[in-house]
Amino acid sequence: DQQVKQNSPSLSVQEGRISILNCDYTNSMFDYFLWYKKYPAEGPTFLISISSIKDKNEDGRFTVFLNKSAKHLSLHIVPSQPGDSAVYFCAAQTGANNLFFGTGTRLTVIP
Amino acid sequence: DAGVIQSPRHEVTEMGQEVTLRCKPISGHNSLFWYRQTMMRGLELLIYFNNNVPIDDSGMPEDRFSAKMPNASFSTLKIQPSEPRDSAVYFCASSPQYNEQFFGPGTRLTVL
Repeated sequence: DQQVKQNSPSLSVQEGRISILNCDYTNSMFDYFLWYKKYPAEGPTFLISISSIKDKNEDGRFTVFLNKSAKHLSLHIVPSQPGDSAVYFCAAQTGANNLFFGTGTRLTVIP
Repeated sequence: DAGVIQSPRHEVTEMGQEVTLRCKPISGHNSLFWYRQTMMRGLELLIYFNNNVPIDDSGMPEDRFSAKMPNASFSTLKIQPSEPRDSAVYFCASSPQYNEQFFGPGTRLTVL
């Protein structure tokens, strides 16, 4: 049973526009959330995270929003660039170390 | 730092053969994770180790799968006997205690 869900397998956005990737989770015990980015033939790389005590975390063009009551988080990329084209994984963890990953969303930024 | 190292990068084998995947974590990291990536289920945690001790192997799909971490700098994931449905990309990741995980490049396994 998937505890972390990414319901959109793919997303296409024009360069310069905003990309919004969504993620839902079911386990209310999750207290830390992360986004990973994955290019073909490479392992996922950490992008940005947020603790459950916050509702927003920003790092440059990347912002993650957390809505605990809805058990929903989103990643905003603005402005989107062609180099952002990749698969994005949402992940969540409790106090223990193991991460639960979603199935990923493939973002394509069109020049 | 070379990052997490995995070998081989690609493995093609025949059904019934034994397959061994290898991982060298980042020096100083206390935790090591093995994941399997498939289209249907995304990234699934198979097993993780803390200070070389297996903590949670509930994600290991069957007894055909086994993992060892004989020391802090080396781990193996073995599949014996392999089956076509084991075909996937297998990732190893390491982590300092309670921090984000750093992934290796993965091993693409194809079982014919």
